[in-house]
Parts: sequence; structure tokens; C-alpha cells
Amino acid sequence: SYELTQPPSVSVSPGQTARITCSGDALSKKYAYWYRQKSGQAPVLVIYEDTKRPSGIPERFSGSSSGTMATFTITGAQVDDEADYYCYSTDNYGNERVFGGGTKLTVL
Amino acid sequence: QVHLQESGPGLVRPSQTLSLSCSVSGDSITSGNYYWSWIRQPAGKGLEWIGRIYTSGNPNYNPSLRGRVSISLDTSKNQISLNLGSVTAADTAVYYCARDLSGGLGIGIEDAFEIWGQGTMVTVSS
Repeated sequence: SYELTQPPSVSVSPGQTARITCSGDALSKKYAYWYRQKSGQAPVLVIYEDTKRPSGIPERFSGSSSGTMATFTITGAQVDDEADYYCYSTDNYGNERVFGGGTKLTVL
Repeated sequence: QVHLQESGPGLVRPSQTLSLSCSVSGDSITSGNYYWSWIRQPAGKGLEWIGRIYTSGNPNYNPSLRGRVSISLDTSKNQISLNLGSVTAADTAVYYCARDLSGGLGIGIEDAFEIWGQGTMVTVSS
């Protein structure tokens, strides 16, 4: 079965840049999507098709992809950005749609 | 503004069928060209995509659940239904429904789950 791998946790100080990686064999051919989930809430789409931001998502949130790794970046992280972040993508054939295991971002 | 609301029994017995509905308000589920997905999350764990159905039908399912899961559209109630059979404790989770991001000309951007319901907790226990 297809898997996406994320670090379990990332920690930064306020104002620093936070980067969360997501690796998967098919990411060189398939888009990555990123979701933020705060405790007790439904996930929120923050990046789609590797680099695009939905309406209402701050410009300090960005995404990139190179080879088999996608990266989600928060420039100037804020305490309010603390959440779990999940990447999502599909296998090469579009048969398996999977989320990464999630990364807990701590800003303190 | 489109709003999604999941509903169904909070407790299901092992080996029985879990049945949930996702009620859509603010738009018809048959308008536009969107995928409607079900996603679940066990307590303290990550997200798992269950399956999806297109506006015109044609569902796709997570291979790990194939054979137990079915998703359908109820146009008369403007709802998306989820049935998961032969449940075990491993199916205990919060279940979400979601619609993909609106692209141009009423075409959705599949896999970009823009609109989510609040989720409904389902416990499988005797």
C-alpha cells in the first residue's frame, strides 16, 4: 500500500520559519495537498496542487515540491499556527488516496 | 455558502453495519461537478480517506475497505450516504464528509477537500 511519510513533530520559535516535509514515491508525478487541523476541529485545506493557496489562507503559508518530497512552509510562524498538519496525495495510478501520518507543529 | 452536516448512530455493535448521512445545505449535490468524500479519524490518530462519489455517481473506495464500504447519493434528501459493513472496534472514529474545492466553471479540484462537515463520532462496541 502507498505511504506518505512526515516527521511526527516540528518545533520553532515565534517568527521563525517552519518547514514540514512529506515524502512519497509518487510525489514526483502527483500533487501534494496540505491540511491543518486544530484540536477538536475539522481539517482545513491550506495548500492544494503543491503550491496553491485557497482563498483566505495567509500568504505566509506556502508549498513546494521537488522529486519525491513535498514541503509545507510557514514563514514567520505564530503561536496560533500550532496544529497538526497532514499531507495528502495519491499513488501513481490514482487508486490509493492517502494522508501522511501528520506532523504536530509547536510554536513556542 | 455550502454547509455539510454528518449524522447517524453514535454506537454500532460489532459485525453490524455503520450507516451515516451527510446533509448538504446551500447547494444541490447534483449541481456542479464535484467529488463528495468520506474521511475518518480514530481518536488521537491520523486521517484516513474512506472513499468518494462524483456528482453523477461512480464511487471510488479505499482498497483497504473495499468489499465493506459503499457510498451513494440520495438526491431527494440532498445527502451523501456511507455504509460500512462488518464493523469492528478498529472502525471507531470521527467520520467526516467533505467536498472538493470549487474550480472554474463549476468543476471541482479533486482531492482538494475545501468544505468539511464538523464530523460525527462513531463507537463500535457491544
